[in-house]
Amino acid sequence: AQKVTQAQTEISVVEKEDVTLDCVYETRDTTYYLFWYKQPPSGELVFLIRRNSFDEQNEISGRYSWNFQKSTSSFNFTITASQVVDSAVYFCALSEALYTGNQFYFGTGTSLTVIP
Amino acid sequence: GAVVSQHPSRVICKSGTSVKIECRSLDFQATTMFWYRQFPKQSLMLMATSNEGSKATYEQGVEKDKFLINHASLTLSTLTVTSAHPEDSSFYICSARTSGRGEQYFGPGTRLTVT
Repeated sequence: AQKVTQAQTEISVVEKEDVTLDCVYETRDTTYYLFWYKQPPSGELVFLIRRNSFDEQNEISGRYSWNFQKSTSSFNFTITASQVVDSAVYFCALSEALYTGNQFYFGTGTSLTVIP
Repeated sequence: GAVVSQHPSRVICKSGTSVKIECRSLDFQATTMFWYRQFPKQSLMLMATSNEGSKATYEQGVEKDKFLINHASLTLSTLTVTSAHPEDSSFYICSARTSGRGEQYFGPGTRLTVT
């Protein structure tokens, strides 16, 4: 079963629009971590955020914000006032019981294109 | 933050040859390293998990004799693609996990093209 679902395969927005990338996860662990990574065309994964299962506070970092809702098992990512440089593939990932060596489960990614 | 390097960043090899990819943790000791493969426009798929000093654990469907993993030290793991074929062309990414806080750090990836 897919542990991390990113239903949006591709999204295109016009520059300065806001865009939300959806992420739904599935786990039976009570302790887990959720991540978002950006993968530009170069291929290198750029870490954006890590959130543990006990912290449901939403987080804002500049134009980026994250909405974590355990009730719906979602960890959505919003980019405000999108820019062309935001064009990339974004991956949501789940790590169960971080300290016991479990691997990351990646979603299938959402390819975001910001049109100038 | 912690840094993980991979070498080479790009490699082109002929079909039937072997190629070795190195993954190094530069400023921390990595008790566990992970190897992922990513085909174009697809997600990262875990290939294997290696712990320093012990044999790697391979995911289902990954041929251990074809993808040799050696975690020789706390800062180095190598992935050797033996008798490479064009279908092995992919982007290979390693990650390293510390024993302390357990965070995982990703390398920049190696793009392998087999001709």
